[in-house]
Amino acid sequence: KQEVTQIPAALSVPEGENLVLNCSFTDSAIYNLQWFRQDPGKGLTSLLLIQSSQREQTSGRLNASLDKSSGRSTLYIAASQPGDSATYLCAAYGRGSGNTGKLIFGQGTTLQVKP
Amino acid sequence: DAGVTQSPTHLIKTRGQQVTLRCSPKSGHDTVSWYQQALGQGPQFIFQYYEEEERQRGNFPDRFSGHQFPNYSSELNVNALLLGDSALYLCASSFGTGPGYTFGSGTRLTVV
Repeated sequence: KQEVTQIPAALSVPEGENLVLNCSFTDSAIYNLQWFRQDPGKGLTSLLLIQSSQREQTSGRLNASLDKSSGRSTLYIAASQPGDSATYLCAAYGRGSGNTGKLIFGQGTTLQVKP
Repeated sequence: DAGVTQSPTHLIKTRGQQVTLRCSPKSGHDTVSWYQQALGQGPQFIFQYYEEEERQRGNFPDRFSGHQFPNYSSELNVNALLLGDSALYLCASSFGTGPGYTFGSGTRLTVV
């Protein structure tokens, strides 16, 4: 059974700092991994999708990497800004019996960037 | 290009009542998935609909049921509401099984 863990649960950094959010998963047979952002009380906004054949994706100040062999993904945020304050969720997407079509989420990392 | 639309945005129901939540997928998407997110937790998969049939189901009781219409929109029904059903209900759409899912803003359900 796939389990996804995100560490740390919460993080507070000063503006301008570079930071890394971690995501680990127990079943290396994942197909895709997707990172989302969630503002308080709101839905999920997709940030980056790493597909099966890829190892990383970049969008602006964000970079996400995927290492299936070690069961880890990281989200790197460069030059953090107060507007980056939100909860960041990673979700593994599997294939195979019982897994196709559903995302397994971690509990999220709540980031606060202080001005 | 409209994204995923959910209605209503907020809902308050009494224990034992029934509720219906609605979702319109992103244009071009034909698959709808529903997730429940309790406060402080990650979303939990409820089920997924494709071609008007339930294709995959998570670990939720039969009180949770759904439907997909020919225009790909979907409904989530919850019967005999419990206090523990209070959560943010998220709808996600995709083309087939992905890659990539687009989420709506969610429906906040409060059971009192």
